[in-house]
Amino acid sequence: NAGVMQNPRHLVRRRGQEARLRCSPMKGHSHVYWYRQLPEEGLKFMVYLQKENIIDESGMPKERFSAEFPKEGPSILRIQQVVRGDSAAYFCASSAMGETQYFGPGTRLLVL
Amino acid sequence: TQLLEQSPQFLSIQEGENLTVYCNSSSVFSSLQWYRQEPGEGPVLLVTVVTGGEVKKLKRLTFQFGDARKDSSLHITAAQPGDTGLYLCAGPPHGSSNTGKLIFGQGTTLQVKP
Repeated sequence: NAGVMQNPRHLVRRRGQEARLRCSPMKGHSHVYWYRQLPEEGLKFMVYLQKENIIDESGMPKERFSAEFPKEGPSILRIQQVVRGDSAAYFCASSAMGETQYFGPGTRLLVL
Repeated sequence: TQLLEQSPQFLSIQEGENLTVYCNSSSVFSSLQWYRQEPGEGPVLLVTVVTGGEVKKLKRLTFQFGDARKDSSLHITAAQPGDTGLYLCAGPPHGSSNTGKLIFGQGTTLQVKP
């Protein structure tokens, strides 16, 4: 059973570029969550999606950030016009309805 | 805003020692979870506690949920170098138990020296 998969594992972008982070949930999971982690800190919730729907985006910055979970394919977290403060580890988790969240290995984003 | 405060933030001990990590809040949580995260990896769930006063054991790890469901602790007996990592507590904020959103504490970094 493959776990939650995220790619790329490491991403380097220059200020002003776009970053696209992908997350493939565990087989049978239709709920996806994105979290951000700064060094030596806990995770901060960003957004919760089900297939083709955003359920809760209360933790997502209002500008430059967007997320989708299409009917087919992985969930995408998109950051436009990245700034140095966007440098962090971004984790995706997936779950079945009301069940435990399982986390992926994360994408480490570095903005130069 | 509900917060989870973990203490201590950093802990460095010798192999064989015992330790306790605390997770506290001023708010009631329907459940709390403990995760362990190694460098370069995602958090891995260790346990979920649901009932006030509940105690769960996982080999040398003992987890306790406070009677009022506002706090939890993780006790490790005879720590080993393999226990080194970041320990995180997390729980669903009040009113969001159906959304799956989790609030995380800031974590406790544990280093166990051989």
